[in-house]
Amino acid sequence: NAGVTQTPKFRVLKTGQSMTLLCAQDMNHEYMYWYRQDPGMGLRLIHYSVGEGTTAKGEVPDGYNVSRLKKQNFLLGLESAAPSQTSVYFCASSYGGPYSYEQYFGPGTRLTVT
Amino acid sequence: KNQVEQSPQSLIILEGKNCTLQCNYTVSPFSNLRWYKQDTGRGPVSLTIMTFSENTKSNGRYTATLDADTKQSSLHITASQLSDSASYICVVSAGDMRFGAGTRLTVKP
Repeated sequence: NAGVTQTPKFRVLKTGQSMTLLCAQDMNHEYMYWYRQDPGMGLRLIHYSVGEGTTAKGEVPDGYNVSRLKKQNFLLGLESAAPSQTSVYFCASSYGGPYSYEQYFGPGTRLTVT
Repeated sequence: KNQVEQSPQSLIILEGKNCTLQCNYTVSPFSNLRWYKQDTGRGPVSLTIMTFSENTKSNGRYTATLDADTKQSSLHITASQLSDSASYICVVSAGDMRFGAGTRLTVKP
């Protein structure tokens, strides 16, 4: 039982390049989330999904897209990376809504955009 | 301005000592408050969750308290261990989830 996994663990991009971060969970959770964590700030929600085939915007969605084609996977895409997107990205999942159910976090992806 | 403020930003204590971390929030209405532990290079892991009606919740050597009237919470760590070195994050649920910036705790031998 791996929980929540993220690939890759580290990535360096040049400005304007694109990439996709993959999140996978094996707990059969309905809800999945993408957060970014920056120094001196709390985690901020980028996008989330309440079930297969659904996505919704969070607090800081600009510059990112997501897809949830399979229940166990949640992809985060950067179409044209900018230095402001340098951050640590965390994926999380929960059985139900986050207010009532515990969120389980992945190990994070450290992204640097030069 | 962040609606969840944590203090101190960082703290260094000796192994075996106790410490208390603070969380003040302004978000409303309030649903629940959680404390997470985040080891370096890892994702956050839940320690406690408290609803409006709960004043205290323990998880081993970790005890969280909540005063909903003053909108303050604290996390008390008893008999600290080297493995307690981590960031501790306060999260308030109120319509959405608001994360504090965390307190970085270092336990030295």
